[in-house]
Amino acid sequence: AQSVSQHNHHVILSEAASLELGCNYSYGGTVNLFWYVQYPGQHLQLLLKYFSGDPLVKGIKGFEAEFIKSKFSFNLRKPSVQWSDTAEYFCAVNTGGYQKVTFGTGTKLQVIP
Amino acid sequence: GAGVSQSPRYKVAKRGQDVALRCDPISGHVSLFWYQQALGQGPEFLTYFQNEAQLDKSGLPSDRFFAERPEGSVSTLKIQRTQQEDSAVYLCASSLDWSPSNQPQHFGDGTRLSIL
Repeated sequence: AQSVSQHNHHVILSEAASLELGCNYSYGGTVNLFWYVQYPGQHLQLLLKYFSGDPLVKGIKGFEAEFIKSKFSFNLRKPSVQWSDTAEYFCAVNTGGYQKVTFGTGTKLQVIP
Repeated sequence: GAGVSQSPRYKVAKRGQDVALRCDPISGHVSLFWYQQALGQGPEFLTYFQNEAQLDKSGLPSDRFFAERPEGSVSTLKIQRTQQEDSAVYLCASSLDWSPSNQPQHFGDGTRLSIL
């Protein structure tokens, strides 16, 4: 069965700092990868997704993620964070078939103005 | 409505009581999922419906958990004889069709269940 590891549980950054959140998955076959975000008081929403093609995926609000198959990783990046990026970020994986998704434990990002 | 609607938002029950949680998916969405999110954890898959058919219930933690979607729209997650370990946020998500993987799941706000 697939699993997802997010190594950073809580990250604190100042505005304009660069962000990289780690995500590793364990599954030997073809995977589909996602990052979801949950802003305070809101529901989970999709930030970006990778299915195939260019391993560098661009999402909403300036976020991007790079799929590195050899490292089983799908790290999330943003060059310059804003206070409004304060949220919890979840990496998730799906191994094809229907849409069952396995989530990581999440990373809470706090951006200080 | 525009999004996935869940009710109630909060539910407090005494240990041993039965509870029912409701999910109204986005109109026309074929796929519906239930997840359980314990404090400090990510959502964990419980069960999946394609229209009215429950195609996967492998994530249900015990036979006290039961889900249905009789008309392929609204779904209810029922927990019988609740235990303290059932305390969690229960999330519902829906997606447009059955096609594998490439449809985003739209999540509701969840029901926060507390068992005393």
